[in-house]
Amino acid sequence: KAGVTQTPRYLIKTRGQQVTLSCSPISGHRSVSWYQQTPGQGLQFLFEYFSETQRNKGNFPGRFSGRQFSNSRSEMNVSTLELGDSALYLCASSGSGVEYYGYTFGSGTRLTVV
Amino acid sequence: DQQVKQNSPSLSVQEGRISILNCDYTNSMFDYFLWYKKYPAEGPTFLISISSIKDKNEDGRFTVFLNKSAKHLSLHIVPSQPGDSAVYFCAASGTGTASKLTFGTGTRLQVTL
Repeated sequence: KAGVTQTPRYLIKTRGQQVTLSCSPISGHRSVSWYQQTPGQGLQFLFEYFSETQRNKGNFPGRFSGRQFSNSRSEMNVSTLELGDSALYLCASSGSGVEYYGYTFGSGTRLTVV
Repeated sequence: DQQVKQNSPSLSVQEGRISILNCDYTNSMFDYFLWYKKYPAEGPTFLISISSIKDKNEDGRFTVFLNKSAKHLSLHIVPSQPGDSAVYFCAASGTGTASKLTFGTGTRLQVTL
């Protein structure tokens, strides 16, 4: 079955702009989580959506937001981009039995802010 | 506050030998623990997990051990293969609304010939 799909794979934006990243989870998975990976901070949790509702949120400023649609696809938005937002943004989806099968990650979107 | 720690940033092991990757955590509320393998420019790939009610889980060449009293887990890879060279992350999670993954900082494993 198809994995987690993230688009676009690469993105270059200018400081002050905003960006929207997209994630299509594995069919049947209702939970979608977003993570930011940077060399200095490792993998940091952004937020999790389950059945269109934000169920959990990490310690990121309000410039980072997300949403989930009825088909479980999710988007995250970053407004007023800063240089420090340059990172690999990863989306993960999960279904039942996540404690045994883990979360499935997409390949990520590499965002570069210049 | 780093709740999940991997104190060894790198590890080099000869092919065929055992690789042991370690992870410590501070939050006793974690319900299960996972290990992920990551190649550059790719998302992490799930390897193996263990519930907090168990002390060992095995899947092929991979075995995870959990010592709850010490808040310590380890991943054993036997025998190590060159294709195992990657960054390994341990992660911990609760359940339900506490189901976010808290990752360690990763250990880069290099398996040499």
